[in-house]
Amino acid sequence: GNSVTQMEGPVTLSEEAFLTINCTYTATGYPSLFWYVQYPGEGLQLLLKATKADDKGSNKGFEATYRKETTSFHLEKGSVQVSDSAVYFCALLNTGTASKLTFGTGTRLQVTL
Amino acid sequence: EAGVAQSPRYKIIEKRQSVAFWCNPISGHATLYWYQQILGQGPKLLIQFQNNGVVDDSQLPKDRFSAERLKGVDSTLKIQPAKLEDSAVYLCASSLDRLGNSYEQYFGPGTRLTVT
Repeated sequence: GNSVTQMEGPVTLSEEAFLTINCTYTATGYPSLFWYVQYPGEGLQLLLKATKADDKGSNKGFEATYRKETTSFHLEKGSVQVSDSAVYFCALLNTGTASKLTFGTGTRLQVTL
Repeated sequence: EAGVAQSPRYKIIEKRQSVAFWCNPISGHATLYWYQQILGQGPKLLIQFQNNGVVDDSQLPKDRFSAERLKGVDSTLKIQPAKLEDSAVYLCASSLDRLGNSYEQYFGPGTRLTVT
C-alpha cells in the first residue's frame, strides 16, 4: 500500500535559518507528490507539488524535488520567517479509480526571532 | 473564486449523541472528499464522492458514520452515536474531476469536534 514518512517535529529554527523537512514515500506506480501547509486555526493549503520524477515544485521560497531513486520529496527553504510557523504535511496521490491522498503525520515548524 | 465552505467550525457533544457536518465544495468541482484528522496525525480519507456517487468509503466506520451528497453538490457527514475517539477535525475537500486535468484538492477550514 501507499505510505508517507515524515521527520518528526517540532522543528525549531531562528529566523533566516535554512529549513529541511524530510519526506520519504512508498507507493506503487508513479504517484504525484505534494506538500501541504496548515497554519494555526486554518485548513490545509497546497504549498507545492510535483507530478513526475525529477520535477521540482516551488512556491513562496519553498522547494522540493521528486526523487524516484530515493523515493523522497524533501521540503527546503533557504531563509525561514516567523510567518512560516505552521504544520507541514507531505502527501502522495496515486491516480486511478479513486484518487486518494495519503498524508504523512505532519511536521510542526516553529520559527523564532 | 469562493473556497470550500464548512459548518459548523466547532462542535462539542457528549458521547452517544449524534452530530452532522456540512460541506459546500468549490463550484464546478465534481469530486468531494471527507477526511478525519486526529490531533497529531495526518488527515485520513473517510469517503470520496464523484458527483453524487461514492467512489471510496473503505475507511468509513459504517456502523456509526454516514455521508451523502444527494444532488452532487453539497454534502453532509453524520456520526451517530459518537464515541470519544471521534474527537478530531473533519476536513472537506474538493477537486475538479478525477477524470479531468486536475486532481488538486482544495480544503475547507474544517470542523473541530470534541466528544466528552
